[in-house]
Amino acid sequence: KQEVTQIPAALSVPEGENLVLNCSFTDSAIYNLQWFRQDPGKGLTSLLLIQSSQREQTSGRLNASLDKSSGRSTLYIAASQPGDSATYLCAVGGATNKLIFGTGTLLAVQP
Amino acid sequence: GAGVSQSPSNKVTEKGKDVELRCDPISGHTALYWYRQSLGQGLEFLIYFQGNSAPDKSGLPSDRFSAERTGGSVSTLTIQRTQQEDSAVYLCASSVSGGAVETQYFGPGTRLLVL
Repeated sequence: KQEVTQIPAALSVPEGENLVLNCSFTDSAIYNLQWFRQDPGKGLTSLLLIQSSQREQTSGRLNASLDKSSGRSTLYIAASQPGDSATYLCAVGGATNKLIFGTGTLLAVQP
Repeated sequence: GAGVSQSPSNKVTEKGKDVELRCDPISGHTALYWYRQSLGQGLEFLIYFQGNSAPDKSGLPSDRFSAERTGGSVSTLTIQRTQQEDSAVYLCASSVSGGAVETQYFGPGTRLLVL
């Protein structure tokens, strides 16, 4: 059974720092890995989707990497801003894209 | 519509009552997913619809849960004889065709509280 874990569970950094969020999964037979952000009381917003054949994806200040064989992904956020404060979730998808979510990392960026 | 919409946004009910939660996916999206987010279990898959195919119900936690999708668009998740452990945020998502590399677009969720 696929299990997805995220470390750390919570993170507080001063504005401007670069930071890394980690995601690990137990079964490497995935079709994709996705990173989402969730703001309090709101739904999920897709940030990046990495196909299983890809190694990384970039969008603005965000860069996500995927090492399928070792069951790991990282989300790198450059020059963090207070507006980046949210819960970040990684999820792995199979053939029908049913997503299995990680436990989340609660990020607080202090101004 | 422009995005995935869900109603109601909040629902408080008494234990034992039935509830219906509604999801209106993005227009033209044939794939629709229901997930549940609870304090103890995190975010978990419930059910998946793709076009006219039989739905994947493998994530439904009990036979008190059911869902339908009429006309390939709007979906209703029904919970019968609600229990306190059903309290959670129920999230709906849609994608273009359910492909393995498609982005899923999530609605704002329905917050269900069972007293």
